[in-house]
Amino acid sequence: QQPVQSPQAVILREGEDAVINCSSSKALYSVHWYRQKHGEAPVFLMILLKGGEQKGHDKISASFNEKKQQSSLYLTASQLSYSGTYFCGTNNNDMRFGAGTRLTVKP
Amino acid sequence: DSGVTQTPKHLITATGQRVTLRCSPRSGDLSVYWYQQSLDQGLQFLIQYYNGEERAKGNILERFSAQQFPDLHSELNLSSLELGDSALYFCASSVSDRTNYGYTFGSGTRLTVV
Repeated sequence: QQPVQSPQAVILREGEDAVINCSSSKALYSVHWYRQKHGEAPVFLMILLKGGEQKGHDKISASFNEKKQQSSLYLTASQLSYSGTYFCGTNNNDMRFGAGTRLTVKP
Repeated sequence: DSGVTQTPKHLITATGQRVTLRCSPRSGDLSVYWYQQSLDQGLQFLIQYYNGEERAKGNILERFSAQQFPDLHSELNLSSLELGDSALYFCASSVSDRTNYGYTFGSGTRLTVV
């Protein structure tokens, strides 16, 4: 029931782009994205509620393909502050999170 | 400050003991969720309450129990503690009992069982 995230880890230089994928074996009704910095609580980034919905703020955006039961998080022109572990969360009533993708942005 | 308050921040206890973790949700939120995060691991869903009622159960051990009180604060009780229970326990709150609203997480309680 837990969504599968890929890649497990990614290292970028400032200004580079990254894509984090989240897929589920079950039908998706909503997809949440969170970022957790080391030793801190996860912070809500965005939620996608409809298939095909895309959202974004600043240089972080996400898409939701209901048919493929997948969501992707896009980070463009990455900044040092983007470093952290990104979790996707899926399901209807109770949120199940993926194992996380550790993103490291280096100068 | 996210608005979700968890106490205590740190807890060190011995095996076999019982502890209670407390969570006050953000003002206006009716749902409370408990998650366990072991070292460098993902977030494991334990249990959800909405307006005092249990709504969903995840991978919660029988030694663990929780409740949500009329003032909406929640407590997670962990008993007969084992070394493997050492983890960061997060509480999150949301305005709805569905996943169509974002969750606000508290800063967590770090439990160390020795």
